[in-house]
Amino acid sequence: DTEVTQTPKHLVMGMTNKKSLKCEQHMGHRAMYWYKQKAKKPPELMFVYSYEKLSINESVPSRFSPECPNSSLLNLHLHALQPEDSALYLCASSQVILQETQYFGPGTRLLVL
Amino acid sequence: QQQVKQSPQSLIVQKGGISIINCAYENTAFDYFPWYQQFPGKGPALLIAIRPDVSEKKEGRFTISFNKSAKQFSLHIMDSQPGDSATYFCAASITGTASKLTFGTGTRLQVTL
Repeated sequence: DTEVTQTPKHLVMGMTNKKSLKCEQHMGHRAMYWYKQKAKKPPELMFVYSYEKLSINESVPSRFSPECPNSSLLNLHLHALQPEDSALYLCASSQVILQETQYFGPGTRLLVL
Repeated sequence: QQQVKQSPQSLIVQKGGISIINCAYENTAFDYFPWYQQFPGKGPALLIAIRPDVSEKKEGRFTISFNKSAKQFSLHIMDSQPGDSATYFCAASITGTASKLTFGTGTRLQVTL
């Protein structure tokens, strides 16, 4: 099973709302990632968790707050977003150290009004 | 030095033709080079990957050619089909814990009938 699942598929939120994106994988991967992708652009790395600990934060604004409750789950909490934060948010996972292949989920299409 | 340059930006190929996408990198520490295929509204999916100890890798109609001295690698899609129409991203990373993927800018491929 090489599937990464993400919920919801679509999300519309106002600038004062609080919402969360969820990601799940059951491949036993110990590294999990959040990416942001704008139209016609490559994915941009936001956060990396390794063994449930935040390993990399690519200077992401604090209105994005990641959380890794366990090795299979990854959340992204959203608060006070701006319209320019509208994008496709992708979750990915990979084994640590030996294998760099990242498996991506289908993404959550976020629209901030 | 972390950039991966990808060309062309867009490509139109007739059904049955060969699609060729090129990438170049600067960082000689990169040692893993995957290609991702992304359909509209979906997450990127790993297509094929290569390490610098081989010059070519073939999987079905997809072939990666790798030129270590020139720091270039390319994706060849033989017998291109309309179902191959998607955006293709090359990427590079350095083997290690929770390694970061550096993506190329993407190539939008359209295969016409």
